[in-house]
Amino acid sequence: NAGVTQTPKFQVLKTGQSMTLQCAQDMNHEYMSWYRQDPGMGLRLIHYSVGAGITDQGEVPNGYNVSRSTTEDFPLRLLSAAPSQTSVYFCASSRGQTDTQYFGPGTRLTVL
Amino acid sequence: AQSVTQLDSQVPVFEEAPVELRCNYSSSVSVYLFWYVQYPNQGLQLLLKYLSGSTLVKGINGFEAEFNKSQTSFHLRKPSVHISDTAEYFCAVCYNKFYFGSGTKLNVKP
Repeated sequence: NAGVTQTPKFQVLKTGQSMTLQCAQDMNHEYMSWYRQDPGMGLRLIHYSVGAGITDQGEVPNGYNVSRSTTEDFPLRLLSAAPSQTSVYFCASSRGQTDTQYFGPGTRLTVL
Repeated sequence: AQSVTQLDSQVPVFEEAPVELRCNYSSSVSVYLFWYVQYPNQGLQLLLKYLSGSTLVKGINGFEAEFNKSQTSFHLRKPSVHISDTAEYFCAVCYNKFYFGSGTKLNVKP
């Protein structure tokens, strides 16, 4: 039981490049979410999903896309990276929206 | 919209002393309340949560929190801290979505 896994752990992009942050969970959780963590701002919700085929926006969705084709996977796509997207990104999963969230180890992204 | 305020960005404390980390939230409806801990270079782990029932909630590692509806607070306490409690602590509320506070860095000194 690996829990929530994220890849890559570190990434450096140039402005305008695109990339996908991967997130997978093996706990059969319906609810998955993406957060970004910036100093002094805590975690802010980017997008979330309540089940396969269903996604919705969080507090800071602009510049990011998500899809949920399977229960296990919830990738986050940066369409055209900007320096303002430099952050640490966390994926989390839970059985339901109000249940305990299990977090992945994070991806540290730098956009030059 | 929901908001969560953690009044103290940093709390220094000596080992074996008591500590309280403050959390206030804004909501006119019922919410679920959580405290998470983040150790350096790791993801977040659940310390405790309040969904309903007793307002005093006990969590892991000797932490507890008290839900106060009239003051819309959910302060985290530990009667005697250890060096290993040095970490960043996040308060969160859930009403349809999760909203996290900005975090409090607890620095336990020997």
